[in-house]
Amino acid sequence: DTAVSQTPKYLVTQMGNDKSIKCEQNLGHDTMYWYKQDSKKFLKIMFSYNNKELIINETVPNRFSPKSPDKAHLNLHINSLELGDSAVYFCASSRPPRRTPPPETQYFGPGTRLLVL
Amino acid sequence: SQQGEEDPQALSIQEGENATMNCSYKTSINNLQWYRQNSGRGLVHLILIRSNEREKHSGRLRVTLDTSKKSSSLLITASRAADTASYFCASGYSTLTFGKGTMLLVSP
Repeated sequence: DTAVSQTPKYLVTQMGNDKSIKCEQNLGHDTMYWYKQDSKKFLKIMFSYNNKELIINETVPNRFSPKSPDKAHLNLHINSLELGDSAVYFCASSRPPRRTPPPETQYFGPGTRLLVL
Repeated sequence: SQQGEEDPQALSIQEGENATMNCSYKTSINNLQWYRQNSGRGLVHLILIRSNEREKHSGRLRVTLDTSKKSSSLLITASRAADTASYFCASGYSTLTFGKGTMLLVSP
């Protein structure tokens, strides 16, 4: 009954490779996010999608490309991986604001630990 | 830019004691949320306090919000070893920005 799932859980790869991380949520939420958590635990938003449309795109290298095939999925593709890309990547989702103003509670996946060698 | 700053960065207490963590933020907010992250896991939402609320309780958690000082505090009463985790505040007007977190260690 996992609400937000990510695959893979661990990813070890060489510099220069291209890799993808997948995220799926079964909560019926409209909005999905990708976050990067560095070694100091700082959590920084990378992208946000609402109903398959990009609404937030923070200053992220264009080697990172999110893709949302449908509302329940938001995948992250990374080209030409660099050492500095090593981090934990979290996917999250939230429902659209209803009676009260945003931001809504976010539900996080378990994270993908990426290590670039 | 970073919105929230938690204080202290790390806190070590004994089981049964209370733990207080503080958070300061910079810009206008609609609400402020607290999350917990156990080691190696994703973040879990604990409690949300709206900008027009001053205090909120949920079980052993008590959150306060002072919008004039742009600060919030999270109090965990009668702490347990299972409360050992990192605690993050997150705030914003339309989207959430997370702080760096407070690492709480509760020793038996």
